[in-house]
Amino acid sequence: DTGVSQNPRHKITKRGQNVTFRCDPISEHNRLYWYRQTLGQGPEFLTYFQNEAQLEKSRLLSDRFSAERPKGSFSTLEIQRTEQGDSAMYLCASTSGAQGYTFGSGTRLTVV
Amino acid sequence: AQSVTQPDIHITVSEGASLELRCNYSYGATPYLFWYVQSPGQGLQLLLKYFSGDTLVQGIKGFEAEFKRSQSSFNLRKPSVHWSDAAEYFCAVGNPRDDKIIFGKGTRLHILP
Repeated sequence: DTGVSQNPRHKITKRGQNVTFRCDPISEHNRLYWYRQTLGQGPEFLTYFQNEAQLEKSRLLSDRFSAERPKGSFSTLEIQRTEQGDSAMYLCASTSGAQGYTFGSGTRLTVV
Repeated sequence: AQSVTQPDIHITVSEGASLELRCNYSYGATPYLFWYVQSPGQGLQLLLKYFSGDTLVQGIKGFEAEFKRSQSSFNLRKPSVHWSDAAEYFCAVGNPRDDKIIFGKGTRLHILP
């Protein structure tokens, strides 16, 4: 197992376009988390899944954001009608319990 | 709701000097506590974690942290820093119920030669 994998590593998109990111967690981890990190800030919680169930969504997650985790394996985060304020690093992490997260390397989104 | 405060945005120390990074948390019960490090353009790496037991926790790269319940603190220490320790350090508090982790805003560590 090579850890948490995120794709793509970088994404540049025009304002108004839709983008989708993928996260492949460690296979035995049942919990998966999405965070957003802007320059000079700590990661901010967006949402998390236990298996395929989305159990919590932050108020940061506007209606333009949607996340899925079909079959409790990989997860996708989609942003519709992107805005410049969406530019950030999007981090995925997984865990199987109280051991701390394993983070992926993130997807850096730039909206131009 | 859980929260984390890292009062120092930037810290500068000389190579070989000791280091202490401050972290205060807010949580209704005994939380899980973490320190992560992030180098420029890199992902987050776990330095150490506290769940229960001994309040002095040893981590990787010679770091340690002490949980002080009375002060709601979890400060990170290192006796002698190296130039390679220059990075952003994040303290985080975890909820044992759902493992959700909330991060502080980070402290950027600068090392003087």
